[in-house]
Amino acid sequence: SQTIHQWPATLVQPVGSPLSLECTVEGTSNPNLYWYRQAAGRGLQLLFYSVGIGQISSEVPQNLSASRPQDRQFILSSKKLLLSDSGFYLCAWSGMDTNYGYTFGSGTRLTVV
Amino acid sequence: AQSVTQLGSHVSVSEGALVLLRCNYSSSVPPYLFWYVQYPNQGLQLLLKYTTGATLVKGINGFEAEFKKSETSFHLTKPSAHMSDAAEYFCAVIGIQGAQKLVFGQGTRLTINP
Repeated sequence: SQTIHQWPATLVQPVGSPLSLECTVEGTSNPNLYWYRQAAGRGLQLLFYSVGIGQISSEVPQNLSASRPQDRQFILSSKKLLLSDSGFYLCAWSGMDTNYGYTFGSGTRLTVV
Repeated sequence: AQSVTQLGSHVSVSEGALVLLRCNYSSSVPPYLFWYVQYPNQGLQLLLKYTTGATLVKGINGFEAEFKKSETSFHLTKPSAHMSDAAEYFCAVIGIQGAQKLVFGQGTRLTINP
C-alpha cells in the first residue's frame, strides 16, 4: 500500500534562518506531489506541485521554493524565513489520474520566531 | 475552471443532533467531488468521494453526501453527531477533463456541544 511521510512534525525557527521540509512517498511511482500551507484560521493554500522529477510549478509568489530530486521525494525550502512563513505545511500525493483525490501527510507545524 | 463554496465557516450542533455541512461547487465540466476531515494538528483524511454512479455516497464514520447536479451541491450529513466528529471539514472539486489539481473550499469548523 502507499504511504506518505512528512517530517519534522513541529519546527521552531528564528527569522532569517533556512528551512528544509521533506516529504516522501512509498508504494507508488511517478506520483503527482503537492505542498500546501494552512495559516491560522485559514483554508488550504496550494504552494507548489510537481508532476515529475525536476518539474515544479509555483502557485503563488513567495519566500519559499520546492525541489523534487527523486521521483518520490519533495522538498520545501527557504533561504531566509520570515515571520509570515509560520503555518501548518502539508504534503500530498496523487496518482496520474488525480480524479481519485489526494492523500495527505501528517503535516509540519512551523513557527518562525 | 472549478470552485467550491462552503456555507458557514463554523457550525455548532448538539451531540446526537443532525450534522449538515453545505458545499456548492462550480464547474464547467462534470465534476468529481470530495469531502476531507482534518483533526487538530493532523493532515487531511478522505471522508468520501463522488466520481460516477450513485449520487448518494457513503463514507467513513457514518457520514454521507449527495451529489445534486441541479443544485450544484454536495452537502455532507450525519444523522447523529458524536463528540469525536469535532474537526474541520473541507469540500473539494476536480473536473474530470484536463484539470490536475483539486480545488478546496475554505473549510467548515464543526463543534459538538455536549
